[in-house]
Amino acid sequence: QVQLVESGGGVVHPGGSPRLSCVASGFSFSNYDMHWVRQAPGKGLEWVAFIRSDESYKHYADSVKDRFTISRDNSKNTLFLQMKSLRGDDTAMYYCAKYHGSGSSDAFDIWGQGTMVTISS
Amino acid sequence: QSALTQPASVSGSPGQSITISCTGSSSDVGGYNYVSWYQQHPGKAPKLMIYDVNSRPSGVSNRFSGSKSGNTASLTISGLQAEDEADYYCCSYAGDSTWVFGGGTKLTV
Repeated sequence: QVQLVESGGGVVHPGGSPRLSCVASGFSFSNYDMHWVRQAPGKGLEWVAFIRSDESYKHYADSVKDRFTISRDNSKNTLFLQMKSLRGDDTAMYYCAKYHGSGSSDAFDIWGQGTMVTISS
Repeated sequence: QSALTQPASVSGSPGQSITISCTGSSSDVGGYNYVSWYQQHPGKAPKLMIYDVNSRPSGVSNRFSGSKSGNTASLTISGLQAEDEADYYCCSYAGDSTWVFGGGTKLTV
């Protein structure tokens, strides 16, 4: 079935640089744009980053710009989020999400179960 | 990017209907017909319930419907059921390949 599985989270020191992964299955990963969305404990959802299916375009939320890098390996059906200069307000569950969009439609139609990143010294 | 405004909580009895509002600006909700709604049960990932303002994905009950007027979008759930109790988030495309979510609404049935 269609599935996204994230990994790479854990307890990270302030200033750390973990890399999150999201492995896709059950659909043609290379044909779809993808996103990362995060949720701080007890808080709402926050869009983080977007990448086109062919990696030709990427965009970031202001809160993570210049600190996070989204990338993908279509040969391995895997999405990545390289994080650096982490600070306390980056503590969150990080979800990858498949984008159901075509210029005339817009939604995050498939979500992973999330991977928790906790910033702590 | 400022979060869209949702009521913190709404409640209803089984069988009743409720509506959750989502207010943004002409730069997001009012500027595009790209509003989506997500249901999130505790400890679970969000689930897409409505997209493109009023479209339902396959498998989502027709008790869920969406609409938009100006800068405010709405999610209506009719015939409330116990399993509808969850957090609900709206989301809008905000231009320039950015998206903005609402703060979330806790629905109590």
